[in-house]
Amino acid sequence: DIQMTQSPASLSASLEEIVTITCQASQDIGNWLSWYQQKPGKSPQLLIYGATSLADGVPSRFSGSRSGTQYSLKISRLQVEDIGIYYCLQAYSAPYTFGAGTKLELK
Amino acid sequence: EVQLVESGGGLVQPGRSLKLSCVASGFTFSNYGMNWIRQAPGKGLEWVAYISSGSSYIYYAETVKGRFTISRDNAKNTLYLQMTSLRSEDTALYYCARRRERVFDYWGQGVMVTVSS
Repeated sequence: DIQMTQSPASLSASLEEIVTITCQASQDIGNWLSWYQQKPGKSPQLLIYGATSLADGVPSRFSGSRSGTQYSLKISRLQVEDIGIYYCLQAYSAPYTFGAGTKLELK
Repeated sequence: EVQLVESGGGLVQPGRSLKLSCVASGFTFSNYGMNWIRQAPGKGLEWVAYISSGSSYIYYAETVKGRFTISRDNAKNTLYLQMTSLRSEDTALYYCARRRERVFDYWGQGVMVTVSS
């Protein structure tokens, strides 16, 4: 099974700050990595797919990148509405696996 | 507008069964694979099961294999999750989600399942 190691588990950042979250895959998953944002009491929403492509309606301050089996989500200028929990997902090979999540809070 | 609406949750005793439904609208249901994902209270997301558009391919997480059965009725635009031999650790909010090219692009609002005596 493919393990997704996500870090950090929690993150406190200031408004307008740059934020980076990473996921390390235990084996090659190509670009089959997606990122999701979950706000309190809400369903997860797709942010990034194919490791680097922005989902419809997602602000351009969000971006995704890949270096080998390490994937990153970057928020270029943190806004209040970005507070929540972020998850990565590999759906390359079943069983599909999520990262453990990163709780993003305002400093 | 794509909509996924789950139902069928509730309080159930350990060892009993429950069947969840997810009604889809706003897209051609029969063209997409579908998933169930769950989230225990205060915990992260756990993928549970996947079924392909024509039900040819079905996969389960090890934690539910042999106890849960995913199915679909394309004529009714409905996804199901039959859960048997329920355990306290199955207590969670269960989401259905559409899969498009290995991405879970739309999610329902979730339905709560509580397993307790």
